[in-house]
Amino acid sequence: VQLQESGPGLVEPAETLSLTCTVSGGSVNSGGFDWSWIRQPPGKGLEWVGHIHYTGSTKYNPSLQSRVTISLDTSKSQFSLMLSSVSAADTAVYYCARGYGIGFDIWGQGTKVAVSS
Amino acid sequence: IQLTQSPSSLSASVGDRVTITCRASQGISNYLAWYQQKPGRAPKLLIYAASTLQSGVPSRFSGSGSGTDFTLTISSLQPEDFATYYCQQLNSYSITFGQGTRLEIK
Repeated sequence: VQLQESGPGLVEPAETLSLTCTVSGGSVNSGGFDWSWIRQPPGKGLEWVGHIHYTGSTKYNPSLQSRVTISLDTSKSQFSLMLSSVSAADTAVYYCARGYGIGFDIWGQGTKVAVSS
Repeated sequence: IQLTQSPSSLSASVGDRVTITCRASQGISNYLAWYQQKPGRAPKLLIYAASTLQSGVPSRFSGSGSGTDFTLTISSLQPEDFATYYCQQLNSYSITFGQGTRLEIK
């Protein structure tokens, strides 16, 4: 199984960041897995953004919950992240990952997103 | 739930035994994982369920602990082990990571 993030590398302040993670070699319908987004600001640590279960149920980081939506497209074997009203503080490398309740075992390579006008 | 790693940085030599500690602000049973991250790369899962070695990870890595106190031990450092290490808890609604421990060559 491999994961690959895609989306714009530059987003303007106050706009919505949209990223997609494509799952190859497997299915997002596979039982028991959560599909997560994690981000890492430049020079800083890791922050979990949220995840979607294969059933479609979601959980979000409380600090971002009002601005985050994660969705699943089983027909394309993809899951997506939308983060609204972005600011410079949302500049980061965004990773998608597969989780199973006790760890994230497969990660995408990450995609850099800068918030700037 | 907050995770506090110590030390924040560490200098060691090839062949050394190294221990990194992760303390949770409340009990998390064994819902703890450890990751290794090298510059410009995605994190790699080393240990899950506090002490179970992920497939393909060398046996010089080991984890222990339960409740609030956890450790990651590297029994004999190899050149490829110099990286940043993160703990992660998956017990609560909101998943959190420790701040990271940077392991540098002495």
